[in-house]
Amino acid sequence: DAMVIQNPRYQVTQFGKPVTLSCSQTLNHNVMYWYQQKSSQAPKLLFHYYDKDFNNEADTPDNFQSRRPNTSFCFLDIRSPGLGDAAMYLCATSNRDRDLATQHFGDGTRLSIL
Amino acid sequence: DQQVKQNSPSLSVQEGRISILNCDYTNSMFDYFLWYKKYPAEGPTFLISISSIKDKNEDGRFTVFLNKSAKHLSLHIVPSQPGDSAVYFCAALSGGNAGNMLTFGGGTRLMVKP
Repeated sequence: DAMVIQNPRYQVTQFGKPVTLSCSQTLNHNVMYWYQQKSSQAPKLLFHYYDKDFNNEADTPDNFQSRRPNTSFCFLDIRSPGLGDAAMYLCATSNRDRDLATQHFGDGTRLSIL
Repeated sequence: DQQVKQNSPSLSVQEGRISILNCDYTNSMFDYFLWYKKYPAEGPTFLISISSIKDKNEDGRFTVFLNKSAKHLSLHIVPSQPGDSAVYFCAALSGGNAGNMLTFGGGTRLMVKP
């Protein structure tokens, strides 16, 4: 089955220690997104890639970076995680050329900061 | 400033009855609306959508109604089943976005009691 896979499902890191979350997709979608979701809140878009074109949301902290080395993979790097960065991180994909609006989500990575 | 709001954080319904989940938006540029369903420890999954040129879209037990003048949409589930118990997110999209950026509401937790 074509899908969006996020690894790991749970990640624990120390305050200030860099961490990388990964996302892969077998849907061959040209757009990939990273969202941050805190408890009982709406998912908040951090950035997205259309192919290799990177788009950063205006209020995404500088602490957050992303890489998309190829169509299938996208990484979220948090350079110096703070306690406020503890959240669920969701990766999503969509195909801009066919189904413009529908995004397909992975199961998320829950990040805890010690 | 929340552009998409789900004012009921939770809703409890008896099995077999109708569930009505509501969503309000403020941005008149939104022209496509989606509902996502999220089970614990899983990512959101697409449920149903509606374009702003329509006022109703039906898919099996799920119907979405759109009232553009009131900037309001609702999701009806009938009959409700215990397996429908999940968090439901309303999302909106404005046309012309290069990356199909969805704006999410905060979610409504639906509990369907057997």
